Amino acid sequence: SQQGEEDPQALSIQEGENATMNCSYKTSINNLQWYRQNSGRGLVHLILIRSNEREKHSGRLRVTLDTSKKSSSLLITASRAADTASYFCATGSSNTGKLIFGQGTTLQVKP
Amino acid sequence: EAQVTQNPRYLITVTGKKLTVTCSQNMNHEYMSWYRQDPGLGLRQIYYSMNVEVTDKGDVPEGYKVSRKEKRNFPLILESPSPNQTSLYFCASKQNDVAGANVLTFGAGSRLTVL
Repeated sequence: SQQGEEDPQALSIQEGENATMNCSYKTSINNLQWYRQNSGRGLVHLILIRSNEREKHSGRLRVTLDTSKKSSSLLITASRAADTASYFCATGSSNTGKLIFGQGTTLQVKP
Repeated sequence: EAQVTQNPRYLITVTGKKLTVTCSQNMNHEYMSWYRQDPGLGLRQIYYSMNVEVTDKGDVPEGYKVSRKEKRNFPLILESPSPNQTSLYFCASKQNDVAGANVLTFGAGSRLTVL
């Protein structure tokens, strides 16, 4: 079952601009993670935010979490062509250890 | 280097010919999982294993089998592949943790085509 739903499905921006992707989920979570996937390759973990956190930063990445709205956002600042990839949110449950992935946002950064 | 290794990376086969996609991890992770990725459907979990000799169905287990006889290996078996199993498959692993906050490490993917 799909838990996270990303929005938008696709995003195209110019290099140097900021990119914002949103994720909504349905049930209570323990944590929310963001992953990146270059075309046809395996997913790579970017950042994790726990349910008791509201904001987290890692380099050019900023993640927010609003548990009351069951939503999260990923902001990539000063984007680069190398940021072109698909980005997935995944929600974690402590009961099962499972991570459930959304369908992803495809980001294209034009040089 | 810590990694998850899948083989084969690419495979074209025919309907009904049994195949196995191997997955091995060198990080001593308890949890391993198989996903398939299809356009417009995201990643869907096929099977997962919380530890040796413990496997559970994910969201789309039909047509697949798995085994977990050793901690490091988690093969995916297609006993009688069909064209609707044409997909990109990923194996992933992580440590179990009571907070459920561990990060998955993914393999590079196996692209399977069933004719």
